[in-house]
Order: sequence, then C-alpha cells, then structure tokens
Amino acid sequence: EVQLLESGGGLVQPGGSRRLSCAASGFTFSSYAMSWVRQAPGKGLEWVSVISASSDSTYYADSVKGRFTISRDNSKNTLYLQMNSLRAEDTAVYYCAKAWSGLGAFDIWGQGTMLTVSS
Amino acid sequence: DIQMTQSPSSLSASVGDRVTITCRASQSITSYLNWYQQKPGKAPKLLIYAASSLQSGVPSRFSGSGSGTDFTLTISSLQPEDFATYYCQQTYSSLYTFGQGTKLQIK
Repeated sequence: EVQLLESGGGLVQPGGSRRLSCAASGFTFSSYAMSWVRQAPGKGLEWVSVISASSDSTYYADSVKGRFTISRDNSKNTLYLQMNSLRAEDTAVYYCAKAWSGLGAFDIWGQGTMLTVSS
Repeated sequence: DIQMTQSPSSLSASVGDRVTITCRASQSITSYLNWYQQKPGKAPKLLIYAASSLQSGVPSRFSGSGSGTDFTLTISSLQPEDFATYYCQQTYSSLYTFGQGTKLQIK
C-alpha cells in the first residue's frame, strides 16, 4: 500500500526548532520529488517547500525561506523538514506529499502532523 | 510568485445541481493546474491534474477545463459526498501555490 506517515509535530516555543519526518512506503521513493504543505487552523492550504528526487533542487515559499530546510534520505525512504526560528504563524498541520513526475501534482498525501508554536 | 484566485469563496448548492468553480492565475501557467478536494480533518485528495485530466478513481462527474490563466472545475450532478472544500494549485512555477479555496455547502 502506498503510504506517507508524518511525525515530529507537537508544541514548541517561539524561536525554537523542530524537525518533521515523513516515512514513505509502497512506491519507489527515490524516483519522485516530494513536498511539504501546511494548513493553519481554519485556513487554506499553503505550499511550503519541494525537493527533487535526487535532492539537487529545493524551493521554498517566501514565508519560510531562510528558516526552513527540506531534505531527504533516499536510503531510508524518508523526507524531512527542519524548522528553525519558529513563529506563532507557523502553527499548522503539516502534510507531506508525493509529486507526480513531470506534472508536479500531489497524488499521495500523508495524514498530517500538527505543530503548535506557543509559549 | 504566481497568485491563484478562486471564485466563489463559498457556494451553496443542492444534490443534483451542476456546479462550477473558477480559478485564475496571475500569469499564464499553460495547463499546469491541479484541483484538490478536502473534507474536514482529512488530507486533500487529487481530483484533476494538468487542467483537465481525471485522476484515477475519481468519478466522471468531475471535470476540469481551461488553459493559460483561466480554469474551471465542474461537478455535473452534485452528490452528498461532494460537499467539501476545493483548491486549485499551479505547478508551472517551482514555487507552487494554491488558491484560497472554495467551500461547497449544502443548500
């Protein structure tokens, strides 16, 4: 079964750091770009970051550029999001998603992990 | 960055109605436009990719059209399970962006 499972969410203080993980199974992880998308409580979807299959390209939304770092370990079928200098406005459910080759559409999503930034 | 604007933001309709949601890009994105459905507490689900291609397993009452800057998602005959929030997304630019969403509610 094709599956993405996020972990690492929780409560963190403003200015703190957190690393999210996304474990993939059921497909050839190393062949696909992967992305993070977040959704603040009661709000819409916000694309956060994308990484190419071989990690040679990464892109970030302006709202997180310079604070967040996306990475992957293809030997462990795992995607990461390192988040530093966290702010209250980073509070959201964070989803990882698999990008369909060449088209970029996100055909597989995880269930999400909630991150709360609060003192 | 490419901005995506959906209209309307919310919509009330009845079972059996035909519904159209529009999405406009701030610049041409050719056909790099996708549509997602999200139900409360759930992850989004891909419905339409490349503007008009139906994702596997998605009912044929869903259809997409458009190219360039203007796109539409049409549901030909609303079913009870279709009441949800719908998002468009562009993947033309490497900085992917979503529309603000359209909440489809029961009239």
